[in-house]
Amino acid sequence: NAGVTQTPKFQVLKTGQSMTLQCAQDMNHEYMSWYRQDPGMGLRLIHYSVGAGITDQGEVPNGYNVSRSTTEDFPLRLLSAAPSQTSVYFCASRVTSGSSGANVLTFGAGSRLTVL
Amino acid sequence: SQQGEEDPQALSIQEGENATMNCSYKTSINNLQWYRQNSGRGLVHLILIRSNEREKHSGRLRVTLDTSKKSSSLLITASRAADTASYFCATDARANNLFFGTGTRLTVIP
Repeated sequence: NAGVTQTPKFQVLKTGQSMTLQCAQDMNHEYMSWYRQDPGMGLRLIHYSVGAGITDQGEVPNGYNVSRSTTEDFPLRLLSAAPSQTSVYFCASRVTSGSSGANVLTFGAGSRLTVL
Repeated sequence: SQQGEEDPQALSIQEGENATMNCSYKTSINNLQWYRQNSGRGLVHLILIRSNEREKHSGRLRVTLDTSKKSSSLLITASRAADTASYFCATDARANNLFFGTGTRLTVIP
């Protein structure tokens, strides 16, 4: 049971380039989300999905795009990378999309992105 | 905007001592959770306390919640070098999403 798998672990981009961070989970979790972690800022929610075909914006969605065509996968796309998007990105999932009693997240190992 | 703020930002203690870190949050919650992050790794869930609970224990962890003060504390007893990590509180204020604080970096000196 792999849990939440993120690829790549490290990536360097030039300003203006595009790329996709991949996230896959094998736990049949309905809910998936993307966070970015910056020094002194904690984790901030970028986008989330409560099921296949459904996505919504979090706190800091600008510059990022997501889709959820399957339960397992939730890719994060950077359309035109900017230095301000240099960060560590975490994908996380949980069992249910609602219910306050079951929103414990399982995190991936993270993807470190540098934009030059 | 951050939902939670941890205090202190950094804490350094000797092995065997207790470590206490605090979390304050802004809005009403259903539950509050604590997570640990080892350097260069993802976050791992430690413990969840519901809004109608005041204290919860799990092994060497003790969590308290004061909803009137919108605050929580995490106590790690008899700390070990392996407890060295960053600790984050998280609350489920909006749309059942989790919002994280800025974290406390704990260093346990052997």
